[in-house]
Amino acid sequence: DAGVTQSPTHLIKTRGQQVTLRCSPKSGHDTVSWYQQALGQGPQFIFQYYEEEERQRGNFPDRFSGHQFPNYSSELNVNALLLGDSALYLCASSLITGSGIGYTFGSGTRLTVV
Amino acid sequence: GQQVMQIPQYQHVQEGEDFTTYCNSSTTLSNIQWYKQRPGGHPVFLIQLVKSGEVKKQKRLTFQFGEAKKNSSLHITATQTTDVGTYFCAIPRSNDYKLSFGAGTTVTVRA
Repeated sequence: DAGVTQSPTHLIKTRGQQVTLRCSPKSGHDTVSWYQQALGQGPQFIFQYYEEEERQRGNFPDRFSGHQFPNYSSELNVNALLLGDSALYLCASSLITGSGIGYTFGSGTRLTVV
Repeated sequence: GQQVMQIPQYQHVQEGEDFTTYCNSSTTLSNIQWYKQRPGGHPVFLIQLVKSGEVKKQKRLTFQFGEAKKNSSLHITATQTTDVGTYFCAIPRSNDYKLSFGAGTTVTVRA
């Protein structure tokens, strides 16, 4: 049973560029949430996708956008990158109904903006 | 919105000793989850607590949900080097499915 798969694992981009991060959820999960984790901090919620729609959004600017595909996989896009966007981006999948099994996180994409 | 405070931020423990980390909320929670993130790794789900006063054990880890459902604790006995990492509590925000994470307690172990 595959867990959550994220790609790429590491990425270096220049300020002002755009980036797309990808996530394949755990088999059987229908919901994907994206988190940003700066060094030494807890994960900060970016948004959540369910049934190919953005259900909720955290306090992130419109430069952050996403998409969920019919197979439940998801993408996170960040435009006009800033140095402050450097962080670990985590994808977490779950069942929308909960079930008490928690989120399953991917290994993350380490984004460095220079 | 609901926020959760975790204390302490850092915990330096002698191998073999016990320690406890706490998670406190100003509002009543429907449930609380705990995650562990090893250095350089990603958060891994440990447990969810739902009932008032609930206590759950996983080997040397004991999780407790307060009677008022506003706080939770994680107690680790006989700490081992494998316990190194950051422990996060996470709470659902009211009326939605978002999980909000605390700042975490980072644990280091002295051999």
